[in-house]
Amino acid sequence: EAGVAQSPRYKIIEKRQSVAFWCNPISGHATLYWYQQILGQGPKLLIQFQNNGVVDDSQLPKDRFSAERLKGVDSTLKIQPAKLEDSAVYLCASSPEGEQYFGPGTRLTVT
Amino acid sequence: GDSVTQMEGPVTLSEEAFLTINCTYTATGYPSLFWYVQYPGEGLQLLLKATKADDKGSNKGFEATYRKETTSFHLEKGSVQVSDSAVYFCALILFGNEKLTFGTGTRLTIIP
Repeated sequence: EAGVAQSPRYKIIEKRQSVAFWCNPISGHATLYWYQQILGQGPKLLIQFQNNGVVDDSQLPKDRFSAERLKGVDSTLKIQPAKLEDSAVYLCASSPEGEQYFGPGTRLTVT
Repeated sequence: GDSVTQMEGPVTLSEEAFLTINCTYTATGYPSLFWYVQYPGEGLQLLLKATKADDKGSNKGFEATYRKETTSFHLEKGSVQVSDSAVYFCALILFGNEKLTFGTGTRLTIIP
């Protein structure tokens, strides 16, 4: 069974630029999550989708972050404009119910 | 709010040593508890879990027991291997809420 796919794996941008990350969850998984993992910290939930609807986006900085999950499958997370403090690994996870399966993450460096 | 406190790292051990990584939690309800592992360059993988008090989760020689009285879920392994080198995260989920709350992670390095 294929795992959660994410791309790109690495991205370096300058502050004030925009960036987008892509996630393809495991087939059939209804729930999709985006986490932000800052160096030295545990992952923090940014947004949770159930199919193509948002369940929880309370921790998403909506002035600069946006996410969508069209057709209830793939998802994109966008940052516009990026700040230095957005440097982190962005993890995508999916779940059929209960256990969450994580992708390898996208490491973002904002200079 | 709900939180997880982990033993700070990094932890360096010799091969075949005994491992303990401490984890305590604060939760308003009765959480399920998890240990995740992150190998270099890979995503988080579920290592083991326990869903109620006194449950013991185990996998790959690792064990952790859900202790409600001490609000703890310490990870143990009797004899570590070089391949166990990774970052370990303790986490919780409250019943009815799928949001994982993670600790800060403990980097473990095993030297031959």
